[in-house]
Amino acid sequence: GQNIDQPTEMTATEGAIVQINCTYQTSGFNGLFWYQQHAGEAPTFLSYNVLDGLEEKGRFSSFLSRSKGYSYLLLKELQMKDSASYLCAVRDRSNDYKLSFGAGTTVTVRA
Amino acid sequence: DGGITQSPKYLFRKEGQNVTLSCEQNLNHDAMYWYRQDPGQGLRLIYYSQIVNDFQKGDIAEGYSVSREKKESFPLTVTSAQKNPTAFYLCASTNRGRNYGYTFGSGTRLTVV
Repeated sequence: GQNIDQPTEMTATEGAIVQINCTYQTSGFNGLFWYQQHAGEAPTFLSYNVLDGLEEKGRFSSFLSRSKGYSYLLLKELQMKDSASYLCAVRDRSNDYKLSFGAGTTVTVRA
Repeated sequence: DGGITQSPKYLFRKEGQNVTLSCEQNLNHDAMYWYRQDPGQGLRLIYYSQIVNDFQKGDIAEGYSVSREKKESFPLTVTSAQKNPTAFYLCASTNRGRNYGYTFGSGTRLTVV
């Protein structure tokens, strides 16, 4: 199985930048996903990394280092609507269908 | 538009009753999943199915049952044996190797009264 760790909570100010770290342990890494989940709603896909490096999508970027078992999600120019839980999920080669999820990081954006 | 539909959105159940949560997808995805989410916690896998007429237990299968008679449908039954069933239940689907991972349904919030 996978151990996936991420911080429980983070708070930041509107307009600022926040970086959410995720560390994982897996024997056959085959992709890392970030999802955003607003309270009481379904998670929505944000990003996918399978090779080392940075993937940028507008205000959101995700980074991966496979050798370190480490990823981060970077949220820039924070807006109030970015207040949500952010879930890190890892796919393993032993089961190409299945994702394992971290417990999620709740980000609160303050005015 | 294709998608995954869960119903109902809110469900109330009396203690001792079984209840079935519906999950239907028209994405032609092979694999379907049921997760449970409790307040402030991550997603915990209940059951999953990768092909029709086959399914596997996840991490917290006790007190739950599923069926996969059709590719499009993966209903979850919460039985009276589940000691603490009040939670938010999410259904998801995917195909092999998709670079967006799962597509999620909108969830069912089950409350035992």
